[in-house]
Amino acid sequence: DAGVIQSPRHEVTEMGQEVTLRCKPISGHDYLFWYRQTMMRGLELLIYFNNNVPIDDSGMPEDRFSAKMPNASFSTLKIQPSEPRDSAVYFCASSRTGQGTDTQYFGPGTRLTVL
Amino acid sequence: KQEVTQIPAALSVPEGENLVLNCSFTDSAIYNLQWFRQDPGKGLTSLLLIQSSQREQTSGRLNASLDKSSGRSTLYIAASQPGDSATYLCAVRPINFGNEKLTFGTGTRLTIIP
Repeated sequence: DAGVIQSPRHEVTEMGQEVTLRCKPISGHDYLFWYRQTMMRGLELLIYFNNNVPIDDSGMPEDRFSAKMPNASFSTLKIQPSEPRDSAVYFCASSRTGQGTDTQYFGPGTRLTVL
Repeated sequence: KQEVTQIPAALSVPEGENLVLNCSFTDSAIYNLQWFRQDPGKGLTSLLLIQSSQREQTSGRLNASLDKSSGRSTLYIAASQPGDSATYLCAVRPINFGNEKLTFGTGTRLTIIP
């Protein structure tokens, strides 16, 4: 398997623009997680899905952020409108089950810069 | 709210030395604790996972210990190599409902000097 795939790897945009980040989880994994990593706050969980259904979005910072998972092989994280403070690395991860012993596999991340 | 701290934030040691990375957490009601490695520009890779009932786990030159009652874990790296240079993060998983969620520490950036 190719692992978790994220695109784009780098995104530079201007404040106010819409940004869409994409993720393809590992085939057969039922759980998908979106994280954000910054120097100030470290790695934070934004939202996670089980079988394409959002389970917990309490980490989503504002209504400007939204996430979807239309099918088992694709998820998007959208920011509209984007702001400079959204600049961060966004990671997608997947796991086979949600059981506590199961490892999450991380994608390479998308580095977002909002000017 | 669970808080996970890793001190120091950065560490440099000469090649060949043994070293210890520290992780502390405020809520001892954890299901397990996991150590990850992050290389620059890449995602996280799981290194070791310790269940709350376990005291330690070993994989090659890595040994992770867990003292749940005191809220501490250590990652011991033996005979360090330049290839060990990376950021190491610990993460805890709660024991209650929603234990799919990991709370991460801020990491220790390790540099092994050849």
